Amino acid sequence: LAKTTQPISMDSYEGQEVNITCSHNNIATNDYITWYQQFPSQGPRFIIQGYKTKVTNEVASLFIPADRKSSTLSLPRVSLSDTAVYYCLVALSGGYQKVTFGTGTKLQVIP
Amino acid sequence: NAGVTQTPKFRILKIGQSMTLQCTQDMNHNYMYWYRQDPGMGLKLIYYSVGAGITDKGEVPNGYNVSRSTTEDFPLRLELAAPSQTSVYFCACKVSGSYEQYFGPGTRLTVT
Repeated sequence: LAKTTQPISMDSYEGQEVNITCSHNNIATNDYITWYQQFPSQGPRFIIQGYKTKVTNEVASLFIPADRKSSTLSLPRVSLSDTAVYYCLVALSGGYQKVTFGTGTKLQVIP
Repeated sequence: NAGVTQTPKFRILKIGQSMTLQCTQDMNHNYMYWYRQDPGMGLKLIYYSVGAGITDKGEVPNGYNVSRSTTEDFPLRLELAAPSQTSVYFCACKVSGSYEQYFGPGTRLTVT
């Protein structure tokens, strides 16, 4: 399983765009990148997944450079309700039996 | 459609006691997982199952057992509770080929 590294914490003001970068230097050819969000006292919630280039949904964008050794989750115009822990995961395509959530990035949105 | 439900929500155990954490999903997903999350930490995989009758160990299986007799249910058994098992336990499910796991609300367990 590829190891991921994220910043422990980030602060942002409301209305700003937030970019959280995840490093996964030993990502394998068939690995996909996924991001989850977790609020206090709740289970994680899936945000987005991608393999390469850029993926966008109604919540976030995911940017993956050509070498795939890192990825960046972009949250547009954050609000106080985006305060949460964000986890980056790398998972084997087609399998995904075993995944490990690292310590994640604690995002604090400031009014 | 309740998704993933877990019972109980809270439990206090004495050292050496046993209990079963219940997990039920109504999404007809074949993959199910059990994680534990210690304070300020990420989730660690305890056991997982790819279908009824099939289970396998995750990262931290010691002190736990699971069974999967139906698609819907995936109970987690603690036989001899220890203080190190104080944690929040999450159950999750997903369909084969997907990367999106659906999590239950968690069970907060304290062993004293």
